[in-house]
This record gives sequence, structure tokens and C-alpha cells, in this order.
Amino acid sequence: AQTVTQSQPEMSVQEAETVTLSCTYDTSESDYYLFWYKQPPSRQMILVIRQEAYKQQNATENRFSVNFQKAAKSFSLKISDSQLGDAAMYFCAYRSPSDPGNQFYFGTGTSLTVIP
Amino acid sequence: DAGVIQSPRHEVTEMGQEVTLRCKPISGHDYLFWYRQTMMRGLELLIYFNNNVPIDDSGMPEDRFSAKMPNASFSTLKIQPSEPRDSAVYFCASSPRRSRGLLYEKLFFGSGTQLSVL
Repeated sequence: AQTVTQSQPEMSVQEAETVTLSCTYDTSESDYYLFWYKQPPSRQMILVIRQEAYKQQNATENRFSVNFQKAAKSFSLKISDSQLGDAAMYFCAYRSPSDPGNQFYFGTGTSLTVIP
Repeated sequence: DAGVIQSPRHEVTEMGQEVTLRCKPISGHDYLFWYRQTMMRGLELLIYFNNNVPIDDSGMPEDRFSAKMPNASFSTLKIQPSEPRDSAVYFCASSPRRSRGLLYEKLFFGSGTQLSVL
């Protein structure tokens, strides 16, 4: 099975500042997808951003962007201009087209606190 | 589309009782996953189905856990008998099948069932 590691159980950021959440993964595949999911207190898992491994350009979605380092197997999430509504658990996830099970592999999550 | 629908949202039961969690996936999705979330272990995959057939149940913790998918629009996760250590949030998620050689990769989650076993 693939492994996804989030080494920061908790992070905090001042409102309007920028924060980066770290994620590393282990795979022998060359083609795969990486994701960041957000889980606010409502429990709903929300897809924040995704990255295809074959694309060199880092994905961006408004205030959210990633730093994808394929050789280093690193996939960090940058949140710019942090807002109170960004406070949540953030999960990094991996999925490979060659996985017959179509499985997603999740990290253990990073709890983000936004300080007003 | 209403998304993945889970019920109940909260379940409180006593040790030894049977618990049944329900899930309605998004119409047309071929894959259905059951996850368990705890503080200690994060998100754990319990079992997943492809076209209503259980493919991998290696994540099911014990024989007390069972899951069924009698048709494409309904799945259940049953715990019998329940124990306090089963207390967790249980998520159901669905995903479309691969289409035209491309992997449609998004995973759609339900809002989860918070289970408390006293």
C-alpha cells in the first residue's frame, strides 16, 4: 500500500497571513494524483485542490496553491490570505490509475487554527 | 445531485447493541467506500465495493463488522455487537468509474455518521 505522511498534527496562522501544510508520500508509480481535502467542524470532506503527477505546473485554486516536488515526493499546500473559515483539518491524499482498487490513501491530517 | 447521503448523522447506543449505518451513493458512481475516522488513526478504509461487489474488506477490523451493497443505490455497514472502541465517525464515499481511458479521480464524501457506543 502507498503511504502518505503529514508530519504536522497542528498548525496555526494569523488571519490574512500565509501558511504552508506539508505532505510527503511514498510510491513507485510515475502516474498518480494528489489531493488536499478540507474537513471543517461540520465534518464534511471538501476537495480543496488536486494535482496530476504528469503536470509540472503547480495547481492553484484562488488562495490555495500547491508546491509539487515529484522527485522529492513532496506535496505541500499553501494558503494565502488566511481567513477564519479556513480553520479545519486538512488531509493529503494519493491515488494511482494503476491501482486496481481505485483506492485513495490519506494522511493523518493537520489541524489548522486561524487566529483573528 | 444531492451528493452522498448517509444516515443517521448521529447514533448513540449501548455496548452489545447492533448498529446499522446507511449510505446512498451518487447515482452512476461505480465505487463505494466505507471509512472510519478516529483521532488516533485518522481515516481508515474499511471496505470498498465496485459495481455492488465487495472488492477488499481487509480493513474491516473484526467479524463484528459487516457491509453489504444490495443494489447500486444503497449500502449498509453493520456492527454486531457494538463495543465502546467502535466509537468513531464513519464515512461513506463514492467515485465514478474510469471513463474513456481517463481516471475520473474525485472522491465524493457523505457527511458521516458520528457513532458513540456507551
